Amino acid sequence: AQSVTQLDSQVPVFEEAPVELRCNYSSSVSVYLFWYVQYPNQGLQLLLKYLSGSTLVKGINGFEAEFNKSQTSFHLRKPSVHISDTAEYFCAVWGSSASKIIFGSGTRLSIRP
Amino acid sequence: ETGVTQTPRHLVMGMTNKKSLKCEQHLGHNAMYWYKQSAKKPLELMFVYNFKEQTENNSVPSRFSPECPNSSHLFLHLHTLQPEDSALYLCASSHGGGANTGELFFGEGSRLTVL
Repeated sequence: AQSVTQLDSQVPVFEEAPVELRCNYSSSVSVYLFWYVQYPNQGLQLLLKYLSGSTLVKGINGFEAEFNKSQTSFHLRKPSVHISDTAEYFCAVWGSSASKIIFGSGTRLSIRP
Repeated sequence: ETGVTQTPRHLVMGMTNKKSLKCEQHLGHNAMYWYKQSAKKPLELMFVYNFKEQTENNSVPSRFSPECPNSSHLFLHLHTLQPEDSALYLCASSHGGGANTGELFFGEGSRLTVL
């Protein structure tokens, strides 16, 4: 079985500061990993995904994530955040033997001017 | 029109009402999903349909009744709901079967308030 842990429920940062949102997963099989973003009053949209290949994945809006198999992590980073990045971010895992995607509990990113 | 469209975006209903939520996808996908998102709770998977067949019912109360007439449309019929059913209901779609890589495409959600 797969599981996902997002270690921080809320992350406040100042505008133009760097940010890292942490995600750890557990799985006994190979996995695909995702980060989704949910802006206020909207559905979730895909930010980036790791299926195979390079462990550093670049997504939309300047975000990137690094797949670390030994640490079972898939942390999301952005070197300089903007007010418009205010949203909730969800890490998710899909195992090759699973029939459904497992979501983390979400991290609310709030940007202070 | 592209993507996943949900209607209505907002719905207020009494506990004795019967209403339906509608989801339509124009992505050529064969799997569709209903999720419930409540404040301060994790995203809850409710139902999954693959090629119009229900493949998952995550112990959802019978007052929620899904319907998938074809691969492009998904409904959630609601009756005799409780106030704790107030939430954002999200529809999603993906490739089905062996083509499924876990990537979901979500609609903007239907905000339900039960009085």
